[in-house]
Formats: sequence, C-alpha cells, structure tokens
Amino acid sequence: QQQVKQSPQSLIVQKGGIPIINCAYENTAFDYFPWYQQFPGKGPALLIAIRPDVSEKKEGRFTISFNKSAKQFSLHIMDSQPGDSATYFCAASPNPDKIIFGKGTRLHILP
Amino acid sequence: NAGVTQTPKFHILKIGQSMTLQCTQDMNHNYMYWYRQDPGMGLKLIYYSVGAGITDKGEVPNGYNVSRSTTEDFPLRLELAAPSQTSVYFCASSYSGGGYGYTFGSGTRLTVV
Repeated sequence: QQQVKQSPQSLIVQKGGIPIINCAYENTAFDYFPWYQQFPGKGPALLIAIRPDVSEKKEGRFTISFNKSAKQFSLHIMDSQPGDSATYFCAASPNPDKIIFGKGTRLHILP
Repeated sequence: NAGVTQTPKFHILKIGQSMTLQCTQDMNHNYMYWYRQDPGMGLKLIYYSVGAGITDKGEVPNGYNVSRSTTEDFPLRLELAAPSQTSVYFCASSYSGGGYGYTFGSGTRLTVV
C-alpha cells in the first residue's frame, strides 16, 4: 500500500499547548519519514525527519515519535506559539526516488 | 542562491488552451518533481525526474507532460486544459531523491475557466 494516512485534518490548540499530529503507513519498505511545514502562499519546507532505526528525534520544540511495530509516527510541538500556525504534512519514502505525502493537518494556535 | 524558482505565480487559462509552467533550480540537484495541491487532498505527484533526459509518471500524470533537457530546468506542460486542472502546482528538487529533503518552489496558482 502506497499510502500515508494523516490525522486530524485540522487542530486548534491554545498557546503553550502541545499539538500532536499522527500518521500511519502500511508498507514496511518505507524507510524515511519527513515532516513538512507550509505557511499560506508558500511552498512546503522540510521541518524534521526520522529514519526507522530510531524511536524519537528532537529539533528545538519539534519532536517526531516513531513506532515501527505499529507503523505509526507522530509530530509533537512543545510550547506551541501562534507562529506555528501552518499546515503540516507527514510523508514517507517508498523507494529511493520519491516520497508520498499525507493529506495535511491545518494547525491553528490561539494567542 | 535562489533555490527553486517557479513562473508564473498566478495564471488564468481558458478551457482547451495549453501552457507551460516553468521550474528551474540552481542547487545542481539531480531529482526534480512536480506536485499539485488541492484543498484537503495533500500533495499529489504528477511527474518526476531523476536526472537530465529521464522522466517518470507519478500518481496523477494524465493531462500533463514534462521534459528534462538540463539539470536545472523541469517544465510542466498542460495540454488542452480542463477545469479539473485548477490547482496550485509546486515544483521541488532534491539532492538524492526520496531519502533526502525536498526544496520546494513557491508555487503556481492556476485557474482554468
């Protein structure tokens, strides 16, 4: 299965809260799991990525948690800020040539 | 360093017309991609290229064509435009394909009327 299922579709969180976005995949051949952040009117930009040999990766306030046995991975944003309001895409690489994207989560952080 | 440059930023096309969306990158990346983004549907891969002279279909190639004559340029051709092709189109490039980050352009918003 060449799909990445992302949830929720939209999310509203108070400033300082911890939004969590979840993704699931079926193909065990996927070997690279990036997250992209997109602001309105802009192209997506790589935020953070993980490979299946680690269970967690942190970069600043952003953390990816990876559960290989459950074929799930998630993005956590610590101490969320209004400037984090954006659309977030998870993705996975089914082969060395390309990645496929989830449908995206629109995140809104209330001030 | 400009990264990935797309032109035009906006365009209105009439049904049945054709046009080319331009994409150029200055990072000497071998891999280049075209995606379309529709509300709530994420990013769908149209075509991609792993190097000059090599192209391959993605998930939604119908109604589009590409060419890759140089490392820098990867134009997307729309033939006989249809309303279903109304979308935002993004070009991206990567140093080494699926296992590395993509650099995206700022997009072309296309409306077919």
